Amino acid sequence: QKEVEQDPGPLSVPEGAIVSLNCTYSNSAFQYFMWYRQYSRKGPELLMYTYSSGNKEDGRFTAQVDKSSKYISLFIRDSQPSDSATYLCAMGKGAGSYQLTFGKGTKLSVIP
Amino acid sequence: NAGVTQTPKFRILKIGQSMTLQCAQDMNHNYMYWYRQDPGMGLKLIYYSVGAGITDKGEVPNGYNVSRSTTEDFPLRLELAAPSQTSVYFCASEGGGELFFGEGSRLTVL
Repeated sequence: QKEVEQDPGPLSVPEGAIVSLNCTYSNSAFQYFMWYRQYSRKGPELLMYTYSSGNKEDGRFTAQVDKSSKYISLFIRDSQPSDSATYLCAMGKGAGSYQLTFGKGTKLSVIP
Repeated sequence: NAGVTQTPKFRILKIGQSMTLQCAQDMNHNYMYWYRQDPGMGLKLIYYSVGAGITDKGEVPNGYNVSRSTTEDFPLRLELAAPSQTSVYFCASEGGGELFFGEGSRLTVL
């Protein structure tokens, strides 16, 4: 079983839809969780960062972590065409990003 | 602020050639990273550096070398290029737990 599993999609939704992106993991040592967004032919950029189980909200984005189930989610409300990108989950075991493990990424298209 | 700058953006190499991918950051970050991204495979760490003069291997270091003589620069050297090194290479620096990525260098080995 891979340490981090992420459905690569692609996922296509109409504008205004609620989007749910998910990752599962197998290693209990992961302590913090991130979502990166990557536009086509660009480098990834940090979207959300959380340490603990529960929800963290930032505008239209909500990151959810369930450590007991080893499952994280990113919800996008009122999705916009500008949200079309690849979303990568990342998980860290400790200080220093050299310990980050990335998911394969889910490609999202929001259709006007 | 330019952030993280990578050059070249595109390059085609023949098998057996060598080249250096350049990376520079202007944020005074100590930690810097090189990743490769293959289609549908996520990001794989090649090498990283925690400061000038200190480098260490990541998950996929074979066929690559790095150096870090200054805080700003972290070049990645490919020796004897192979088709398996066809990929998009991203350099990143870390500040406050966040990775700041360059725009990538697309390398094709034929």
